[in-house]
Amino acid sequence: ETGVTQSPTHLIKTRGQQVTLRCSSQSGHNTVSWYQQALGQGPQFIFQYYREEENGRGNFPPRFSGLQFPNYSSELNVNALELDDSALYLCASSLVPGGVETQYFGPGTRLLVL
Amino acid sequence: AQSVTQPDIHITVSEGASLELRCNYSYGATPYLFWYVQSPGQGLQLLLKYFSGDTLVQGIKGFEAEFKRSQSSFNLRKPSVHWSDAAEYFCAVAPRGSQGNLIFGKGTKLSVKP
Repeated sequence: ETGVTQSPTHLIKTRGQQVTLRCSSQSGHNTVSWYQQALGQGPQFIFQYYREEENGRGNFPPRFSGLQFPNYSSELNVNALELDDSALYLCASSLVPGGVETQYFGPGTRLLVL
Repeated sequence: AQSVTQPDIHITVSEGASLELRCNYSYGATPYLFWYVQSPGQGLQLLLKYFSGDTLVQGIKGFEAEFKRSQSSFNLRKPSVHWSDAAEYFCAVAPRGSQGNLIFGKGTKLSVKP
């Protein structure tokens, strides 16, 4: 069974640029959630994708967008990068949506915005 | 407002000593409750979870947690800490009926003295 994988592991961008982060869900999981973890903070929910549709969103602006593909892998796109976007971005997959479902996390992508 | 509080930012214990990490939540109804561990450079690993029933929950790596409704708490315990337990620990909740967006506390960093 393959776990959740994310790419790239590290990324450096400059303010105003755009970035795309990728996530492959665990085998058999059709739900992917994205979280942002700023330094010294707990992860914050960005949004969730289920069957290629956005299925819930946290308190993040529209410049944070995503996609889910037919194989359930997912992308997180961030436009017009700001310094405060520097963080560890975590992807988690689960069998289906729902609070009762266990979410399995990937190792994350560390983004630095200069 | 819904919130998760981990009052201890950093705890240091001696190897072999017992451990208790505190977590309090503020919600209208009892949410689903989780403890995750994050080692440096790693994603989040689920230690244990509480949905209903027995208020003492057993998890992996010898950890357990006790749900106390009257105190809105879900404290994590381990009777004898090993050096490999040094990591950051996050308490999280998922509101019942939600799509599974986890709400995390700010974390407690555990250091283990030899």
